[in-house]
Amino acid sequence: GNSVTQMEGPVTLSEEAFLTINCTYTATGYPSLFWYVQYPGEGLQLLLKATKADDKGSNKGFEATYRKETTSFHLEKGSVQVSDSAVYFCALTPAGYNFGNEKLTFGTGTRLTIIP
Amino acid sequence: GAGVSQSPSNKVTEKGKDVELRCDPISGHTALYWYRQSLGQGLEFLIYFQGNSAPDKSGLPSDRFSAERTGGSVSTLTIQRTQQEDSAVYLCASSLEGLINEKLFFGSGTQLSVL
Repeated sequence: GNSVTQMEGPVTLSEEAFLTINCTYTATGYPSLFWYVQYPGEGLQLLLKATKADDKGSNKGFEATYRKETTSFHLEKGSVQVSDSAVYFCALTPAGYNFGNEKLTFGTGTRLTIIP
Repeated sequence: GAGVSQSPSNKVTEKGKDVELRCDPISGHTALYWYRQSLGQGLEFLIYFQGNSAPDKSGLPSDRFSAERTGGSVSTLTIQRTQQEDSAVYLCASSLEGLINEKLFFGSGTQLSVL
């Protein structure tokens, strides 16, 4: 079946440090890949996505590239801020669309704390 | 409302009791999902409603779990004869047309604790 494996946390970085949160997946074909973020006290929200190989998703200074050859979708940011402190979830949906393929499969989440 | 609303935000119950969790999706969203997050686990899919179609119940862990969606809007997740392993955060999400649009809007969840 489909699965997502994320870098275990928690991760603590200083402000302006470079961030990488690793994510690898297991799925047949070409799934769509997502990063969701949950800020303290808020609901999960979509951060970025990529729907085909070599696509790069980006938002709020974060980037992730869909790498089919390594089945990875690592999240990166060049200079993190205190406001980036949150829990980050990698997720996928199966290739193709029909009813029954709408389930997002999530990783376990990585808690990121940025200290000033 | 402006976002997905869930109630209660916290629920403490005794083993063996039934609980009901409520979700108000964003107005006009036809797709509604329930997920749960247990300690140290990823988000686990439970059930999916899309318009008037029969729901996808494939993620419900046992027959103690059921959900309904009345009038294509509000949804209630019911857990009967709760067990300690049911303790988790139950998240509801909605989207305009399902994952065709690939963006789910999540509520803040209900933290369920079964003593």
